[in-house]
Amino acid sequence: DVKVTQSSRYLVKRTGEKVFLECVQDMDHENMFWYRQDPGLGLRLIYFSYDVKMKEKGDIPEGYSVSREKKERFSLILESASTNQTSMYLCASSRQKNEKLFFGSGTQLSVL
Amino acid sequence: AQSVAQPEDQVNVAEGNPLTVKCTYSVSGNPYLFWYVQYPNRGLQFLLKYITGDNLVKGSYGFEAEFNKSQTSFHLKKPSALVSDSALYFCAVRDWYNNNDMRFGAGTRLTVKP
Repeated sequence: DVKVTQSSRYLVKRTGEKVFLECVQDMDHENMFWYRQDPGLGLRLIYFSYDVKMKEKGDIPEGYSVSREKKERFSLILESASTNQTSMYLCASSRQKNEKLFFGSGTQLSVL
Repeated sequence: AQSVAQPEDQVNVAEGNPLTVKCTYSVSGNPYLFWYVQYPNRGLQFLLKYITGDNLVKGSYGFEAEFNKSQTSFHLKKPSALVSDSALYFCAVRDWYNNNDMRFGAGTRLTVKP
């Protein structure tokens, strides 16, 4: 079965720390996405990538960066974590734009 | 960029009654439209999509959605609600002409009461 794997289910970090969230897909998908999910705000797009080494900003890229060195892996980086980045982070992938997204289980990040 | 609005934070229906969860969208080109569901402590699951063709699309678990271009809407429906349908529902849109990104609405919490 198809799979999107996020490296951690729960993560607790301190303010100012550099945080890496990893996502791996095994479906050879071109497109990968990072969203954050907050109550009442739905899913907000942080960054997406449509090819290796390519990235595009979403709606809320501030305070985040991404890396896609290999097709199957898309990393989200919080350069200096802040408390307002406490959230559920969801990774997703898809092949073509008329196809659905496959989601990982999510990483609940708490920044203290 | 494209966007989605889900005007209702919460929808309550009685078991056995029909349900509707509303969604309107905005795109510069033609839309690809999707519905996803999220059960408690679980990931997002795909329900159905509209790409082209018939305006009424059928999906998983007895759900269907109607695409209305003139009203820019894509409402999710089910003829007879089940208690197990209680979950968070998200509408999403992609613009076929522009980027590959997908935008989601804020979500609607559906509660089906016995």
